[in-house]
Amino acid sequence: EVQLVESGGVVVQPGGSLRLSCAASGFTFDDYTMHWVRQAPGKGLEWVSLISWDGGSTYYADSVKGRFTISRDNSKNSLYLQMNSLRTEDTALYYCAKEYCSGGSCSDGPTFDYWGQGTLVTVSS
Amino acid sequence: QSALTQPASVSGSPGQSITISCTGTSSDVGGYNYVSWYQQHPGKAPKLMIYDVSNRPSGVSNRFSGSKSGNTASLTISGLQAEDEADYYCSSYTSSSYGVFGGGTKLTVL
Repeated sequence: EVQLVESGGVVVQPGGSLRLSCAASGFTFDDYTMHWVRQAPGKGLEWVSLISWDGGSTYYADSVKGRFTISRDNSKNSLYLQMNSLRTEDTALYYCAKEYCSGGSCSDGPTFDYWGQGTLVTVSS
Repeated sequence: QSALTQPASVSGSPGQSITISCTGTSSDVGGYNYVSWYQQHPGKAPKLMIYDVSNRPSGVSNRFSGSKSGNTASLTISGLQAEDEADYYCSSYTSSSYGVFGGGTKLTVL
């Protein structure tokens, strides 16, 4: 059974830093691109970042570029999101998500078949 | 990157069909066949319902279908059921950064 379990969400002051983790199990972690997606309280979904299977390629939403860094440790089946210079607008539930692949082919778009339960980041003074 | 445009809410009676639209630009929805749709029940993680415009993952009911015309993608749910009541989000690949979601549509089954 595929499982994604996020952790690390806390209350942090504006300008602070935080590192989120996502522990993956039930699939061959290093075969897949992984993503972070966030959802502000009562709001819609926002794609945040992706990292390729080997960590060689990373992409970020404009809203977090230069402040957030995505990384992975395939030996530990873990995904991370280092969040610096946090702003109140970064307050959200942060999900890690696995890219969807079928029949050996993966969609090139934002297509996710498994999501974690999310970890809540609150940026407030 | 601006969010894709979805209606805030739609409603329908059991057994009826409804369609949710998702409007973007030629840099996202119109330029690529990488539109997905997600269903999200309150307090739950999103569930993938449609990918690459019109494909259904295994296990998703064939009452759900997707299509695209120009810069607008659509999700149609036929034979509405009470359990379909949820929030629905579209997403698309975008040339500016990678991914963008719609603002979400709340489906009410009357």
